[in-house]
Amino acid sequence: RKEVEQDPGPFNVPEGATVAFNCTYSNSASQSFFWYRQDCRKEPKLLMSVYSSGNEDGRFTAQLNRASQYISLLIRDSKLSDSATYLCVVKPGGYQKVTFGTGTKLQVIP
Amino acid sequence: SQTIHQWPATLVQPVGSPLSLECTVEGTSNPNLYWYRQAAGRGLQLLFYSVGIGQISSEVPQNLSASRPQDRQFILSSKKLLLSDSGFYLCAWSNGGHGGSYNEQFFGPGTRLTVL
Repeated sequence: RKEVEQDPGPFNVPEGATVAFNCTYSNSASQSFFWYRQDCRKEPKLLMSVYSSGNEDGRFTAQLNRASQYISLLIRDSKLSDSATYLCVVKPGGYQKVTFGTGTKLQVIP
Repeated sequence: SQTIHQWPATLVQPVGSPLSLECTVEGTSNPNLYWYRQAAGRGLQLLFYSVGIGQISSEVPQNLSASRPQDRQFILSSKKLLLSDSGFYLCAWSNGGHGGSYNEQFFGPGTRLTVL
């Protein structure tokens, strides 16, 4: 089983739709979780950290489910500019290294 | 604020030639530094990471090496490039120290390397 798994997509959604991605991880000792966004041929950029209690930033909501070992990202009212690949990142406690998922591609359609 | 620089942005090299990519970070001290490679259509592969000057941990590659001659400088090198070394090379930094719950990584703009 991969350390971090994501559905590669693509998810094709109309503008204004709500879309959700899940990411599963295998190491139950993982402590920190993040979502990054990567535009085509660009570097990944931090979208949000995922806190145990869940967190929201505008149209974006991240949730953590430790029991089932997955994190989720919900995007409401999708914009064309949300089109990108979303990378799930998992970090064990006490280590400097993180593990990146291979990403889920989102295409928002007019 | 912190910034991270990488150069060159694009590079085309023949097989067997040497390589040197440089990354520098500004606005922070004693960062953790990372080199990643992303092959076309693939995920990020961690190549090296460093927690301090002269301290390098290697994750994978046989023909690549890394050095950290200064606190905020990280260099990726190769003596002889292979075709399989083509990819998007990304440098990243995070706050130093061992672990902590939220050591987000921040990426430089990357170097797109094509080996012919």
